[in-house]
Amino acid sequence: QSVLTQPPSASGTPGQRVTISCSGSSSNIGSNNVYWYKQLPGTAPKLLIYGTNQRPSGVPDRFSGSKSGTSASLAISGLRSEDEADYYCATWDDSLSGRVFGGGTKLTVL
Amino acid sequence: EVQLVESGGNLVQPGGSLRLSCTASGFIFSDHYMDWVRQAPGKGLEWVGRTGNKANSYTTQYAASVKGRFTISRDDSKNSLYLQMNSLKTEDTAVYYCTRSYSSAVRGTGYWGQGTLVTVSS
Repeated sequence: QSVLTQPPSASGTPGQRVTISCSGSSSNIGSNNVYWYKQLPGTAPKLLIYGTNQRPSGVPDRFSGSKSGTSASLAISGLRSEDEADYYCATWDDSLSGRVFGGGTKLTVL
Repeated sequence: EVQLVESGGNLVQPGGSLRLSCTASGFIFSDHYMDWVRQAPGKGLEWVGRTGNKANSYTTQYAASVKGRFTISRDDSKNSLYLQMNSLKTEDTAVYYCTRSYSSAVRGTGYWGQGTLVTVSS
């Protein structure tokens, strides 16, 4: 059971906007920055969002992050076939004194 | 270009030990927090632990699931990170990733190695 809760799956058609949620608590999302990672099968994860809503260079502006209270979201607009992957949220947990991840969301592009 | 290359993954019996290494290049190693993150087959990501940078005296922190069994260390002169794993259990079977903080000021993981597979089985 992950400390951060993500829906196990999400889907959308090309061009659509999809949102993936990540629910936590006051000791993690509520008080720390959120990160989002994308993982293709058989490869290492790749950073999409840091600092809750900041994109590293090279990440398209179709990807955006936000947070409200103890929940965070990753939005992907203009969905493309190459966006089909597993997505993970992560943050620091002050109570656990450790990093915590969501269980991951498998995004399918129909 | 940031590069992280893990090595040392292998098949080991329950109760055994293994040491993973990560060789870094392309950045000033001593400036960065370094974490180990693992992923069991078909499962999600799990944080294993972290070593801080020179500025925070290389403080280490561990996940409850590995505390007392795993030890993280680093050698800045060799640009290397290590994970000593003792008293291994079958549930420690996973791909282990070496990761680097996004920047010297942003401690969360920004860069990942390709991973090394540890299999704990009799």
